[in-house]
Amino acid sequence: GENVEQHPSTLSVQEGDSAVIKCTYSDSASNYFPWYKQELGKRPQLIIDIRSNVGEKKDQRIAVTLNKTAKHFSLHITETQPEDSAVYFCAASKLGGNNRLAFGKGNQVVVIP
Amino acid sequence: GAVVSQHPSRVICKSGTSVKIECRSLDFQATTMFWYRQFPKQSLMLMATSNEGSKATYEQGVEKDKFLINHASLTLSTLTVTSAHPEDSSFYICSARAPDGWQPQHFGDGTRLSIL
Repeated sequence: GENVEQHPSTLSVQEGDSAVIKCTYSDSASNYFPWYKQELGKRPQLIIDIRSNVGEKKDQRIAVTLNKTAKHFSLHITETQPEDSAVYFCAASKLGGNNRLAFGKGNQVVVIP
Repeated sequence: GAVVSQHPSRVICKSGTSVKIECRSLDFQATTMFWYRQFPKQSLMLMATSNEGSKATYEQGVEKDKFLINHASLTLSTLTVTSAHPEDSSFYICSARAPDGWQPQHFGDGTRLSIL
């Protein structure tokens, strides 16, 4: 099955700086890559996703890039704010049917004011 | 859109009690729902995939008789933790996806289960 690795496990950044989280996946057939943000005690919230037919997607301060050849994808957060502090999970799956998401272990992002 | 409601949000009960958790898709029909378990500071662990009108598919190591799943309609799936013990204490989260399977999964608010 799909195996998703996520690095680093913890990331501290100064407010206003950029944060980058990288994930690798093992199954070349995976074609859907969402990112979820989870605050303490709350549910994971989808913040951005990308399909394998594009290499980059951007939504305001958040962007995701995908390299299918190398089988890795990254989350970029620019102009970080304290409210960006949370655990971020990457995931991978095939679209359609009952295909389930394989999650990375999560990355704790701490934005220092 | 794509709101998933989960109830209850918090349960504290004695060992041996059975606990039922409900997961509802409020504004869309979900042929597939997923049940996860999450321990503190860990990732989401898929327990089972719930399909409307059929038996759930359980992940390896998850006891079917311990975690009963029922997906009786396109908007409701339930997880019953039978005869719960302290080791079952965890954060249980459901997610749902629209029928075409091309939509992202959206998560419920989760249920914090504490077994005394």
